[in-house]
Amino acid sequence: AQSVAQPEDQVNVAEGNPLTVKCTYSVSGNPYLFWYVQYPNRGLQFLLKYITGDNLVKGSYGFEAEFNKSQTSFHLKKPSALVSDSALYFCAVRDSGSARQLTFGSGTQLTVLP
Amino acid sequence: NAGVTQTPKFQVLKTGQSMTLQCAQDMNHNSMYWYRQDPGMGLRLIYYSASEGTTDKGEVPNGYNVSRLNKREFSLRLESAAPSQTSVYFCASSEAVADTDTQYFGPGTRLTVL
Repeated sequence: AQSVAQPEDQVNVAEGNPLTVKCTYSVSGNPYLFWYVQYPNRGLQFLLKYITGDNLVKGSYGFEAEFNKSQTSFHLKKPSALVSDSALYFCAVRDSGSARQLTFGSGTQLTVLP
Repeated sequence: NAGVTQTPKFQVLKTGQSMTLQCAQDMNHNSMYWYRQDPGMGLRLIYYSASEGTTDKGEVPNGYNVSRLNKREFSLRLESAAPSQTSVYFCASSEAVADTDTQYFGPGTRLTVL
């Protein structure tokens, strides 16, 4: 079975500081990993995904994520946070071998303080 | 290009009433999905349609039915609404049900069952 965990319900960071939103996963095959962002009263917007290749994936709005196979992690990062980055972030995983469904984490609320 | 659209945006039902949530996409995608989002639980898949004419159950299908009306439209029906179905419902689409495909989400329908 596939699963994904976002260990922090809430992350606060000061504007201009680097931010990290954590995600760990469990799959039996190869993982395909996704990050989405949700602004209040809106649908989910795709940020980036890891399929294969370089462990550092670059996405929209200056976000990037680092795939670490040994630690089964896919943390979302941004070098300098903006107040407008405040939103709910979801990590999702699909197992290459066994499942067609995308499994989402419970979400992390990011607040960037001015 | 509107992407994925959903109607209605908000709905209040009484226990036992029925309703249909509508979803349409204009990206010529083959696959479509219905999710529900509950606080602290991420998104859970209700049903999906890999292609026109096919539908399959997801993680939480009980109490719901779906219809893939054509390639563009995928509706979700609650035959006899229950308070446990109070949630935010999201429709999504992707080019195909492939492991690597990105899903694109609509703005959501906020449903309250009294």
